[in-house]
Amino acid sequence: ETGVTQSPTHLIKTRGQQVTLRCSSQSGHNTVSWYQQALGQGPQFIFQYYREEENGRGNFPPRFSGLQFPNYSSELNVNALELDDSALYLCATKEGAGGPYEQYFGPGTRLTVT
Amino acid sequence: AQSVTQLGSHVSVSEGALVLLRCNYSSSVPPYLFWYVQYPNQGLQLLLKYTSAATLVKGINGFEAEFKKSETSFHLTKPSAHMSDAAEYFCAVRRLSLFGSKLTFGKGITLSVRP
Repeated sequence: ETGVTQSPTHLIKTRGQQVTLRCSSQSGHNTVSWYQQALGQGPQFIFQYYREEENGRGNFPPRFSGLQFPNYSSELNVNALELDDSALYLCATKEGAGGPYEQYFGPGTRLTVT
Repeated sequence: AQSVTQLGSHVSVSEGALVLLRCNYSSSVPPYLFWYVQYPNQGLQLLLKYTSAATLVKGINGFEAEFKKSETSFHLTKPSAHMSDAAEYFCAVRRLSLFGSKLTFGKGITLSVRP
């Protein structure tokens, strides 16, 4: 197992609501990325944070936002939830913004929007 | 831009048979390539990675993959399948960069292993 943890494990929300998902990084990892994995699909990159600054974003609308804290833990916030936001949300942490170091994935948060 | 194509969504093999999962990539710059495995209701676990060193890469659980630039391929193989190999497998590509680590994943292949 990696040292990356995510909370909560499962979450059920209603369309239009807001949600916050959390990720604790492995020790020494200053970069966190968030991915959305819809059922039957590969993960899609949402954004990356390096030392508390967003330094890369995928094709997701602004209602997907994030934070990275001084201890390198992170939050993913999604406003105005839509049914299509139902997915497994994965965070991945690594050392350094780029370079060859691998990313370590957490177990994910399963979000269901009804 | 980078992209990954994984041919076929489902592969079924007998226990003890060869496992071959195909991955082709597209990248305008030299890539890093990865294979991840995902068991039901779990996150992604790295099987192996190619980062421009040896073209034949050995990973965990007896898996290996060969980077073939001329074919833009990075196929995953295992000589003898085990029941515990049944899972979802994802190929991913990342560009060499000092500034970003975005992974682009394929759609995944479900591997079934028959007794």
